[in-house]
Amino acid sequence: EAQVTQNPRYLITVTGKKLTVTCSQNMNHEYMSWYRQDPGLGLRQIYYSMNVEVTDKGDVPEGYKVSRKEKRNFPLILESPSPNQTSLYFCASSLHPSGQDEQFFGPGTRLTVL
Amino acid sequence: AQSVTQPDIHITVSEGASLELRCNYSYGATPYLFWYVQSPGQGLQLLLKYFSGDTLVQGIKGFEAEFKRSQSSFNLRKPSVHWSDAAEYFCAVGGSSNTGKLIFGQGTTLQVKP
Repeated sequence: EAQVTQNPRYLITVTGKKLTVTCSQNMNHEYMSWYRQDPGLGLRQIYYSMNVEVTDKGDVPEGYKVSRKEKRNFPLILESPSPNQTSLYFCASSLHPSGQDEQFFGPGTRLTVL
Repeated sequence: AQSVTQPDIHITVSEGASLELRCNYSYGATPYLFWYVQSPGQGLQLLLKYFSGDTLVQGIKGFEAEFKRSQSSFNLRKPSVHWSDAAEYFCAVGGSSNTGKLIFGQGTTLQVKP
């Protein structure tokens, strides 16, 4: 089944404790992206990747890192999480980074930083 | 600046009634427009998309949307709502080949009364 998977689905952590949210897609998509969803703000892009080893900042990249060593994986790293990073996170992928292709979304990761 | 506005945060309709969710966009170039649905605890699923051609597009689950360039709108409609349509709906605009980013509206939560 074609899908985007994220792990973990739920995470409660404390300020400053490094964490990684994994994202994997099995559709051989070039483009992958991370969004965060906050009430009243919709989804905002954190980072994106056009292809392996090519990543760039989105609209809200502060406090996050990403890497794209393999085509299928695009982990989101919070080196020192803070309470304002409490949010619902979605990974997405599409075949091409044209903005025309449908983006497929993972199920989301709900993160709480205490 | 590129933006998407969904004027209605919450909408409540009775089962069997018709539905219209509003979406207005601001985008300098030709927009690629999308409607996504997010059911509770789920990721986002694409309902329909518009790139060009016929301004009335059909989607899954009986939804349709009409692109009106003169009004910068892309409203989502359904003739008869089912209880299972209760969810959050997001309008988004894409088209930037530089980032592949989707710009999302704030979302509209649909409640369906029995």
